[in-house]
Amino acid sequence: NAGVTQTPKFRILKIGQSMTLQCTQDMNHNYMYWYRQDPGMGLKLIYYSVGAGITDKGEVPNGYNVSRSTTEDFPLRLELAAPSQTSVYFCASSHGTPPYNEQFFGPGTRLTVL
Amino acid sequence: QQQVKQSPQSLIVQKGGISIINCAYENTAFDYFPWYQQFPGKGPALLIAIRPDVSEKKEGRFTISFNKSAKQFSLHIMDSQPGDSATYFCAARYSSASKIIFGSGTRLSIRP
Repeated sequence: NAGVTQTPKFRILKIGQSMTLQCTQDMNHNYMYWYRQDPGMGLKLIYYSVGAGITDKGEVPNGYNVSRSTTEDFPLRLELAAPSQTSVYFCASSHGTPPYNEQFFGPGTRLTVL
Repeated sequence: QQQVKQSPQSLIVQKGGISIINCAYENTAFDYFPWYQQFPGKGPALLIAIRPDVSEKKEGRFTISFNKSAKQFSLHIMDSQPGDSATYFCAARYSSASKIIFGSGTRLSIRP
């Protein structure tokens, strides 16, 4: 099993550009999450999904969109990149049903918006 | 509004010493308290977790102490090793939700 994979690993965007961060998991997990990590700020939840076709906002959803058409994939879309979106983005997945609460994280995407 | 408060922000411990990281929460609806460990350039990974019906859980050199009445929990790393140098996040999960709230993280450095 590859676990949770994310692409790209690094990306530099200009202000106003758009891009999609890809996330795929091969553990047949129903739950998937997108976080951003800023220095000293911990992990902030952007969006999450409890299954294909179902998504919901987290703590910091503004400027982002998601879709969940399959169990495996959960892409994150930035429509108009802003410097405030410079961050490291992590995708995670979990089985979701107690006691299987562990979230498995991908290696992250480091995004810089200039 | 920070639902899970973590301290200290950074910590330096001598090799062989005890590392202690503290977290506090407000919401009594939390029912699952994991700790995640993150090495530089990697995603976080689950280290150890506890439910509020027990006061302590130990796995090897790592122990979670849980004080339900004070709404506090802490991670103790005994005999700290340079390989333990990482960022540690406490977290809490709502009993009725599928998401967890993370603390702000503690950067731990173990001096050889």
